[in-house]
Amino acid sequence: DAMVIQNPRYQVTQFGKPVTLSCSQTLNHNVMYWYQQKSSQAPKLLFHYYDKDFNNEADTPDNFQSRRPNTSFCFLDIRSPGLGDAAMYLCATSRVTDTQYFGPGTRLTVL
Amino acid sequence: DQQVKQNSPSLSVQEGRISILNCDYTNSMFDYFLWYKKYPAEGPTFLISISSIKDKNEDGRFTVFLNKSAKHLSLHIVPSQPGDSAVYFCAASSGAQKLVFGQGTRLTINP
Repeated sequence: DAMVIQNPRYQVTQFGKPVTLSCSQTLNHNVMYWYQQKSSQAPKLLFHYYDKDFNNEADTPDNFQSRRPNTSFCFLDIRSPGLGDAAMYLCATSRVTDTQYFGPGTRLTVL
Repeated sequence: DQQVKQNSPSLSVQEGRISILNCDYTNSMFDYFLWYKKYPAEGPTFLISISSIKDKNEDGRFTVFLNKSAKHLSLHIVPSQPGDSAVYFCAASSGAQKLVFGQGTRLTINP
């Protein structure tokens, strides 16, 4: 089945220790997104890639970076996680003008 | 500035009855609206969408209604089933593929 896969599902890191979350897709979609969702809040878009073009949201902290080495994979790098970065991180994909499909998410805990 | 609002944080409905989830938006440029369903510890799952050129879209037990003049959309689930218990997010976009999410409504279906 075509899908969006996120690894790991649960990630624990220490305060200030860099962490990388990964997302892969078998849908061959042009666009990949990273969202942050905290409890009882709406998902918040961090950035997205339209093919290789990177689009950062204005209020995304510099601490968050992303890489898309190919169509199938996209990574979220948090350079120095703080306690406030503990959240669910959601990856989504879409064709250019179509519905976004989400992965299962990675729950990040910062100790 | 919350462009998409779900004013009811929670809703409780008896099994077999109709569930109606509501969503209001402020940006008249939105032209595509979606509903997502989210179970705990999982990513949002696409449920149903509607384009601004329509006022109704139906898919099995799920119907979305759009009232552009009131900037209001609603999701009807009939009949409601226990498996429908989840958090429902409405989302809107304006063709640029950036989704704006509401805060979510937690739906509980009681036996």
